[in-house]
Amino acid sequence: GAVVSQHPSWVICKSGTSVKIECRSLDFQATTMFWYRQFPKQSLMLMATSNEGSKATYEQGVEKDKFLINHASLTLSTLTVTSAHPEDSSFYICSARDPLGVSYEQYFGPGTRLTVT
Amino acid sequence: QKEVEQDPGPLSVPEGAIVSLNCTYSNSAFQYFMWYRQYSRKGPELLMYTYSSGNKEDGRFTAQVDKSSKYISLFIRDSQPSDSATYLCAMSYGQNFVFGPGTRLSVLP
Repeated sequence: GAVVSQHPSWVICKSGTSVKIECRSLDFQATTMFWYRQFPKQSLMLMATSNEGSKATYEQGVEKDKFLINHASLTLSTLTVTSAHPEDSSFYICSARDPLGVSYEQYFGPGTRLTVT
Repeated sequence: QKEVEQDPGPLSVPEGAIVSLNCTYSNSAFQYFMWYRQYSRKGPELLMYTYSSGNKEDGRFTAQVDKSSKYISLFIRDSQPSDSATYLCAMSYGQNFVFGPGTRLSVLP
């Protein structure tokens, strides 16, 4: 199946700094990627939908100026958490749709654990 | 009412038991129904999908959809400790994709 990678897998940063997380589709071109956040023992919460070459669509309640998403190529989307605070500590997961595959299927990355101290 | 509801568990069963995981939904527009498995600190992986009412079997896993009742199930036969994970149902139509909150399953050896 299709492979999606994320980097880094774990990051610790100080409060007030910014952190960039990368999501790559390794063997297919993803016109659409999704960013999710997951708190411990909770389900995935969709943060935004990232479309290559256009602005991301954010879900209600997600601050677009705090969570900057860039989808500059068909294989790479980045999520930058700006001025991170301890409450931003979470597990961030990206997924991608293969436009040549079935419409329902999303391929998930392994996730990035962010800890803000 | 949430769009997709799922009992969060945790659910603990002995090895070899049959496990039943369920989700209900409210939006009749959903067309595709999926089950994902997520191990701790990992991304979800697709287990099964279906798009019509009825049963679909894959090894020890059976997915069941009842569109008239807006109810889907995942059955795991001969459960193994390696099945211990969080199971998330998901459903979609068009560009809309919704996950259930997930059920944490522990299979005890």
